[in-house]
Amino acid sequence: AQSVSQHNHHVILSEAASLELGCNYSYGGTVNLFWYVQYPGQHLQLLLKYFSGDPLVKGIKGFEAEFIKSKFSFNLRKPSVQWSDTAEYFCAVLGSNTGKLIFGQGTTLQVKP
Amino acid sequence: DAGVTQSPTHLIKTRGQQVTLRCSPKSGHDTVSWYQQALGQGPQFIFQYYEEEERQRGNFPDRFSGHQFPNYSSELNVNALLLGDSALYLCASSLGGQGYGQPQHFGDGTRLSIL
Repeated sequence: AQSVSQHNHHVILSEAASLELGCNYSYGGTVNLFWYVQYPGQHLQLLLKYFSGDPLVKGIKGFEAEFIKSKFSFNLRKPSVQWSDTAEYFCAVLGSNTGKLIFGQGTTLQVKP
Repeated sequence: DAGVTQSPTHLIKTRGQQVTLRCSPKSGHDTVSWYQQALGQGPQFIFQYYEEEERQRGNFPDRFSGHQFPNYSSELNVNALLLGDSALYLCASSLGGQGYGQPQHFGDGTRLSIL
């Protein structure tokens, strides 16, 4: 069955700490991978995406993610978080022959000033 | 640049009733997908509309139905509401003419509460 698993439900960091959010997926085929962010009171926004090519992709606000095909992983990273990064983060997978976006359960990130 | 707009913002219904939620896609987009997001969970795919037809469907019962209009806007209808239908319903739009795999842009959602 197709699924996405996010390793942490709730992460608490201090400002300037480094961030890594884990994401693993199960899908039998070519995939497109996404990270979405939902800031408090706002709609889901696309943070970054991987379609093909360089497995290290850079997104908005200093975020990056690395696609490791052999591990079925697409972890999100940021070297130094800010208080404004407090939000919920969702990893999602889209099969190349489907419009069905499959989400993980989300990780709530709380950054303390 | 108009993003994805959904109406209403909040809705309260009772069990057994029917509800219609509405969505206008981002300007230039022709494909609309609907998702259900229960509290503390990630969104779950309900179905996708392209060229006024349901192109793909998730694991939701037939009580969930939809429609897409010639202007690409869409409606989600849910019949015989159950308590478990209480959730945030999200609409997302994308460019479908380029095939699957295009990034989807989300609206703010409609919060549906069933009493």
